Amino acid sequence: SQTIHQWPATLVQPVGSPLSLECTVEGTSNPNLYWYRQAAGRGLQLLFYSVGIGQISSEVPQNLSASRPQDRQFILSSKKLLLSDSGFYLCAWREKQSPGQIYEQYFGPGTRLTVT
Amino acid sequence: GEDVEQSLFLSVREGDSSVINCTYTDSSSTYLYWYKQEPGAGLQLLTYIFSNMDMKQDQRLTVLLNKKDKHLSLRIADTQTGDSAIYFCAEKRTKAAGNKLTFGGGTRVLVKP
Repeated sequence: SQTIHQWPATLVQPVGSPLSLECTVEGTSNPNLYWYRQAAGRGLQLLFYSVGIGQISSEVPQNLSASRPQDRQFILSSKKLLLSDSGFYLCAWREKQSPGQIYEQYFGPGTRLTVT
Repeated sequence: GEDVEQSLFLSVREGDSSVINCTYTDSSSTYLYWYKQEPGAGLQLLTYIFSNMDMKQDQRLTVLLNKKDKHLSLRIADTQTGDSAIYFCAEKRTKAAGNKLTFGGGTRVLVKP
């Protein structure tokens, strides 16, 4: 069965410090991968998605970057955190779409980041 | 603003029915989804409906789709305290890059005993 892991679960970082959040998926290959941010009391904002190793698409300009060094590994990074980077970060994966089939998008447990 | 819109909050008494509404703008949407997020957790898929369907029922859940008005609703019968959560609707557009979903802002449902 497929599982998705995120770590750390919670993180408190000072402004200006670097960030690295990791997401790994097991039990599937060549998935589409996604990073979302959920600010307190707000909806989901898609930050990045990836359709393959080394392929990253950015949805919104920001202080963050993403990388996919391996097929089932997705990393969210920042060189210098801002206060506005605080939020709940969710990683998700989905199988490649085939005609006539519906594929669920599976979410990880999330990382709560507080920038102080 | 978002292309998928939901009301922010819904309060319902235990045992009553809840109806969560969602509107979307893209007529090319192929699938529409309802996800549930419990406090401090990721999202879990509750149900989905294909765009050529009007209704789908799954135990206590009923999804209604009005494609003409681009309106989607989720009805939860006999609402329980465990149904308290944030509910997100999402759409999958025909040619969405990366097969990404577009999510609404979420509706926070509070079930009162």
